[in-house]
Amino acid sequence: GAGVSQSPSNKVTEKGKDVELRCDPISGHTALYWYRQSLGQGLEFLIYFQGNSAPDKSGLPSDRFSAERTGGSVSTLTIQRTQQEDSAVYLCASSLEQGRNQPQHFGDGTRLSIL
Amino acid sequence: AQTVTQSQPEMSVQEAETVTLSCTYDTSESDYYLFWYKQPPSRQMILVIRQEAYKQQNATENRFSVNFQKAAKSFSLKISDSQLGDAAMYFCACGTGNQFYFGTGTSLTVIP
Repeated sequence: GAGVSQSPSNKVTEKGKDVELRCDPISGHTALYWYRQSLGQGLEFLIYFQGNSAPDKSGLPSDRFSAERTGGSVSTLTIQRTQQEDSAVYLCASSLEQGRNQPQHFGDGTRLSIL
Repeated sequence: AQTVTQSQPEMSVQEAETVTLSCTYDTSESDYYLFWYKQPPSRQMILVIRQEAYKQQNATENRFSVNFQKAAKSFSLKISDSQLGDAAMYFCACGTGNQFYFGTGTSLTVIP
């Protein structure tokens, strides 16, 4: 595909359940970012991957959050034992390479609602 | 710490008029880049314009231009000849080191 693809587009789940969110970056992009956007807020950095390097997990809010990127392409963000405060839009972005000058290309996001 | 501040949660503009969205940032880095992104109701973030901090010349992209004041750490976005399709949330962002920092956004309404 031409752009960053995220699935599902919407996810509703009960508190305490685990969820997996998927991101398929633009082909050839080595850098991948996950952000969380809560209602009326800006983007909160969660984690980023650059090639085969160890990811920067400094933005993950708790140990319930984890992410992996297999084969340097598709990434999954996993939230265990979901809480209501996890409700937000989760955005994925990729860029050609990691760097402050590289514009990020975003997916449409996954809207996560915890009941 | 890096911060990006957008002090205008909401703005409105008459169609065909000009509007300026404010953004200030704070970084200890000497080399950084600044971005404006647009997020329409469809949710997808779209890059509007980018400015290299080492360049004094303000970036322009068709109807979009920036007023970059490095000493004041200010990076405002000017939209000329506003169109209905410009209605969206606008986010200012600063890229430093390995990370990007986003403001809380300005919701722009375009009045026909």
